[in-house]
Amino acid sequence: AQSVAQPEDQVNVAEGNPLTVKCTYSVSGNPYLFWYVQYPNRGLQFLLKYITGDNLVKGSYGFEAEFNKSQTSFHLKKPSALVSDSALYFCAVRDPGGSQGNLIFGKGTKLSVKP
Amino acid sequence: GAGVSQTPSNKVTEKGKYVELRCDPISGHTALYWYRQSLGQGPEFLIYFQGTGAADDSGLPNDRFFAVRPEGSVSTLKIQRTERGDSAVYLCASSPTGRAGLTGELFFGEGSRLTVL
Repeated sequence: AQSVAQPEDQVNVAEGNPLTVKCTYSVSGNPYLFWYVQYPNRGLQFLLKYITGDNLVKGSYGFEAEFNKSQTSFHLKKPSALVSDSALYFCAVRDPGGSQGNLIFGKGTKLSVKP
Repeated sequence: GAGVSQTPSNKVTEKGKYVELRCDPISGHTALYWYRQSLGQGPEFLIYFQGTGAADDSGLPNDRFFAVRPEGSVSTLKIQRTERGDSAVYLCASSPTGRAGLTGELFFGEGSRLTVL
């Protein structure tokens, strides 16, 4: 069965420091991987995705993520955090052979960036 | 509007009542999705429409839940005989056809928060 794990409920970072939000996955075959962000009182927003190709993918707002097949990880990173990055971040996976609509989401990681 | 619109934004009902939640997708998006997000959890897939038909309804938890999309645009999620465990935020998303739609970039609404007393 497909699954996604976000091992940290919360990540605290000082503004200007690099940030990492961790994600590991379990899926048969080559996965499609995604990061979404949820700001307070806002809908989920797509950040970036890995489908194939370069293991380092770049997305919105200066975020990037690295696909590591051997470690089955897809950690979200940003070189310099902003206070406005504070939000709830969700990692998601889809089996390419499965239903288009069925994304499996992790529980989410709350990112708090302090000035 | 420019984004996915969901109504009502909040719904409080009593156990046993019937509830309808509406989703108006982005114009031109042929795929529509319903997810449910319980407190402290990530979104959980319920059902996915391609056009008017349900392409995958494997996430519907039981036969009290039903969704329709009769004209291939607006969708309604219907919950019969509501239970306290149905309390959650119900999220709707849409995506266009083509590569973006096939590779999981979904556009979400702000959700309908359902509270069953």
